[in-house]
Amino acid sequence: AQSVTQLGSHVSVSEGALVLLRCNYSSSVPPYLFWYVQYPNQGLQLLLKYTTGATLVKGINGFEAEFKKSETSFHLTKPSAHMSDAAEYFCAVIQTGANNLFFGTGTRLTVIP
Amino acid sequence: EPEVTQTPSHQVTQMGQEVILHCVPISNHLYFYWYRQILGQKVEFLVSFYNNEISEKSEIFDDQFSVERPDGSNFTLKIRSTKLEDSAMYFCASSATGVNYGYTFGSGTRLTVV
Repeated sequence: AQSVTQLGSHVSVSEGALVLLRCNYSSSVPPYLFWYVQYPNQGLQLLLKYTTGATLVKGINGFEAEFKKSETSFHLTKPSAHMSDAAEYFCAVIQTGANNLFFGTGTRLTVIP
Repeated sequence: EPEVTQTPSHQVTQMGQEVILHCVPISNHLYFYWYRQILGQKVEFLVSFYNNEISEKSEIFDDQFSVERPDGSNFTLKIRSTKLEDSAMYFCASSATGVNYGYTFGSGTRLTVV
């Protein structure tokens, strides 16, 4: 069965600093990987996804993530944090042979002025 | 941009009561889903629905739960006899092509069972 692990339930960065949110997956086959963001009192919004092809994936709001098969990782980065990036971020993977997403436990990002 | 609409945004119900959560998926989408998120925990899959029937369900989705697409536009989740542990945020989602390309979530219904 697939799973995702998000290291760090809380991450704090200063405004303008690099954002790095970690996600590792376990899968016996190349997975489809996703990052979702949840702003306070809102639903889940798709940031970016990796399905096939280029391993560096660019998403909305300046975020990107790189699929590294050798490290079984799909870390989310943004060069310069903005106050509006404060939210909960979820990494997710498709369950093998299924049509649904398995989510990580989430990382709450705080941006310090 | 098309949205998935969920109503109500917050529902309070007494333990043992039936509750129906409402969702209006994006109009040309074919795949529909319910997920839930217990406060402070991760988002969990409940059920997927395609071609007017359940295609997959998780262990959480027991006999107390049911889904329906009553009129071609709404997609409802019914909990027959609510328990305290059903208190959670419930998210509806829809997709045109299935999960491979991600799907669009609604803003959720916070269910509080008292």
